[in-house]
Amino acid sequence: DAKTTQPNSMESNEEEPVHLPCNHSTISGTDYIHWYRQLPSQGPEYVIHGLTSNVNNRMASLAIAEDRKSSTLILHRATLRDAAVYYCILYSGNTPLVFGKGTRLSVIA
Amino acid sequence: SQTIHQWPATLVQPVGSPLSLECTVEGTSNPNLYWYRQAAGRGLQLLFYSVGIGQISSEVPQNLSASRPQDRQFILSSKKLLLSDSGFYLCAWSVHSEGNTEAFFGQGTRLTVV
Repeated sequence: DAKTTQPNSMESNEEEPVHLPCNHSTISGTDYIHWYRQLPSQGPEYVIHGLTSNVNNRMASLAIAEDRKSSTLILHRATLRDAAVYYCILYSGNTPLVFGKGTRLSVIA
Repeated sequence: SQTIHQWPATLVQPVGSPLSLECTVEGTSNPNLYWYRQAAGRGLQLLFYSVGIGQISSEVPQNLSASRPQDRQFILSSKKLLLSDSGFYLCAWSVHSEGNTEAFFGQGTRLTVV
């Protein structure tokens, strides 16, 4: 299975941008890069996904390296409600959606 | 629109008792279905994965089993619960063979085995 590598934890000040990195050097051509987050005591929540081009939605932006071996989830202005575990997952639809350990984001007021 | 129903929200069961958790999906057909478990303070562990009726892949050997009697129904069962089965159980679905769509999660069942 394709794997991703993320820092265990990161910290951000409230209302500042946050860049969450993810390495996926073994990504295949059919793998989409998905990001989910899990707030305390809740199930995962979809954030964003992309294949090759950078993507933006109301929650975040996804910057994908040209060689697709890494990506960065960008939260433009962190709020206290963004404190969660963020998961970067490679997903093609033909294999199960498997979660790694993710990055625990702490937001400081 | 698509929705996913998972129940019950919380459950307290004695050791050795049976378990049945049900998950149903509406508004889509032939979805991929998943059962995950999250022990306290731990990550999300994939338990079972199904791409169609009667097609179940078990990711982790244990005393749990899963069944998919209908296209949009996924059931997690145990004949005899262990203390180590306590945790947060999540059902999810995604579009079959399509990586360009998101997965959707139920609200979860918090199981405590006593």
